[in-house]
Amino acid sequence: NAGVTQTPKFQVLKTGQSMTLQCAQDMNHEYMSWYRQDPGMGLRLIHYSVGAGITDQGEVPNGYNVSRSTTEDFPLRLLSAAPSQTSVYFCASRPTGQDYGYTFGSGTRLTVV
Amino acid sequence: AQSVAQPEDQVNVAEGNPLTVKCTYSVSGNPYLFWYVQYPNRGLQFLLKYITGDNLVKGSYGFEAEFNKSQTSFHLKKPSALVSDSALYFCADPWGKLQFGAGTQVVVTP
Repeated sequence: NAGVTQTPKFQVLKTGQSMTLQCAQDMNHEYMSWYRQDPGMGLRLIHYSVGAGITDQGEVPNGYNVSRSTTEDFPLRLLSAAPSQTSVYFCASRPTGQDYGYTFGSGTRLTVV
Repeated sequence: AQSVAQPEDQVNVAEGNPLTVKCTYSVSGNPYLFWYVQYPNRGLQFLLKYITGDNLVKGSYGFEAEFNKSQTSFHLKKPSALVSDSALYFCADPWGKLQFGAGTQVVVTP
């Protein structure tokens, strides 16, 4: 049972480059979210999805795009990387219902130079 | 709408002593509250949750949390801390988008 799988684990980008952070879950969870974690800032929600074909913005969506074509996958796209996007990114999923906890991936550490 | 706050950036405790990590919430309606833990270089792990029912909730790794409606608090507790409990702890509000508190770093010294 793989849970939530994020790839890659580490990535270095040059300013202006684009890339996609991958997130896949095998638990048939409807809800999926992307967070970024910065020192002293806790976790901030970037985008989330309540099901295939449905996405919405979180607290810090600028510079990021998402899509949800399947229940399993929820990729996060950086359109034109900036040093301010240097962070650790976490993907999480949960079943429908507020009383279920999220399952988190192990994270992607991104550095933009 | 609901949000959570963690008033302490860091908590220091000696091994064997009781550990408390504080969380307060603001609520419109019945609160749902979660605690997560993050060990170094790892993702977050679910510890416990309060939905309804008993005010004392028991979770993983010997942790428990006490829901106090009059004080709008949901403090995480462990009777006897271990060095291995050193980690970052997050209180969370699962309504809608899952908003996290800023986190409290727990340092347990031998």
